[in-house]
Amino acid sequence: SQQGEEDPQALSIQEGENATMNCSYKTSINNLQWYRQNSGRGLVHLILIRSNEREKHSGRLRVTLDTSKKSSSLLITASRAADTASYFCATVVSGGYNKLIFGAGTRLAVHP
Amino acid sequence: GAVVSQHPSWVICKSGTSVKIECRSLDFQATTMFWYRQFPKQSLMLMATSNEGSKATYEQGVEKDKFLINHASLTLSTLTVTSAHPEDSSFDICSARDPGGLAGERETQYFGPGTRLLVL
Repeated sequence: SQQGEEDPQALSIQEGENATMNCSYKTSINNLQWYRQNSGRGLVHLILIRSNEREKHSGRLRVTLDTSKKSSSLLITASRAADTASYFCATVVSGGYNKLIFGAGTRLAVHP
Repeated sequence: GAVVSQHPSWVICKSGTSVKIECRSLDFQATTMFWYRQFPKQSLMLMATSNEGSKATYEQGVEKDKFLINHASLTLSTLTVTSAHPEDSSFDICSARDPGGLAGERETQYFGPGTRLLVL
């Protein structure tokens, strides 16, 4: 099962530009996490934002969470070619085993 | 940080055969592990939750008889894809939850590097 949608599905930008990715979800959550996946590789955990938080920063990453709209955004500032990857949001659904449900993902291409 | 390994990293098998994939937590004990499947250019789909010492919990639409999960110890879960077919070719990833977690919420999950399965 998947929680929701991410948009855009694909994003192509030049190095130095900012990249913004959005994620929507459907159910109540404990927290929302963003992951990066390089082509054909495993996942790298980027940042976690809890349901009672509205914004969080980590280096060039800025994540916002709007629980009233059930949406989150990931902003990567001053992008680099090495940021080229797929980015997924994942939500921890309240109750149960705290399992992670992933969004559809955004494929980001950063051109030198 | 916590490390999760998978073996093998890739496997090629003939249609109709079974394939076993191992997921190990290397430096922590994992009472719960998760198995995900990913097809090209798609997201990760949660298949099942593996619980040490008890039966796995499968997501809706996942055939439990085709995807056999065993979590016999606190550091090892195995996924066996039985009677694999070409449409089962995928990238399978496990994750393990560290009971210590973050701020007591225990939501930290660590992902393995994935196993690429190709069924001919």
